[in-house]
Amino acid sequence: GAVVSQHPSRVICKSGTSVKIECRSLDFQATTMFWYRQFPKKSLMLMATSNEGSKATYEQGVEKDKFLINHASLTLSTLTVTSAHPEDSSFYICSARQDSYASTFGSGTRLTVV
Amino acid sequence: RKEVEQDPGPFNVPEGATVAFNCTYSNSASQSFFWYRQDCRKEPKLLMSVYSSGNEDGRFTAQLNRASQYISLLIRDSKLSDSATYLCVVNKGGSQGNLIFGKGTKLSVKP
Repeated sequence: GAVVSQHPSRVICKSGTSVKIECRSLDFQATTMFWYRQFPKKSLMLMATSNEGSKATYEQGVEKDKFLINHASLTLSTLTVTSAHPEDSSFYICSARQDSYASTFGSGTRLTVV
Repeated sequence: RKEVEQDPGPFNVPEGATVAFNCTYSNSASQSFFWYRQDCRKEPKLLMSVYSSGNEDGRFTAQLNRASQYISLLIRDSKLSDSATYLCVVNKGGSQGNLIFGKGTKLSVKP
């Protein structure tokens, strides 16, 4: 089945630094990947849609200059949290879709900004 | 009205019990529907897609009622390992086709 790998699984960084999260589709090509954020006891919220070879589409209220998305190939999308602040601490999850409408999720990245 | 609504629970049931979760969605143009399972501090994993004709996978049965914009999940003969949060997920469709998640229903199966 479709496998999506996300790295790192956990990261602690200092305020003001940038963190890059990678999302890879291992056994299929994903022209579209999605980035979500989940706060404790809250539902997953879509942040942006990552399109291979073009600019990402951001959801309302998500700062594109803060959350940089690059989808340089059909198997890799990256999310960079720039100038991270403690309020950016969250669980970030990517997903990719193969042929069906169902998505496969990466294992998530737990970001803690101190 | 929220796009996808679920009873957050928790549902505390004994092993072997039958439990049902409900979900409603607001966008009548929604195209596809899913139940995902999310364990604590883990990513969601697809449990099953939901079809208009209803579908069953072992102890799990999903139903969709488009007229009422209502989705259900029935779990029979609950196991301890079924303890998790169950997310109702709706695909709004369109060129972006993003998924809208309910907040989830927490299930705890006790011995």
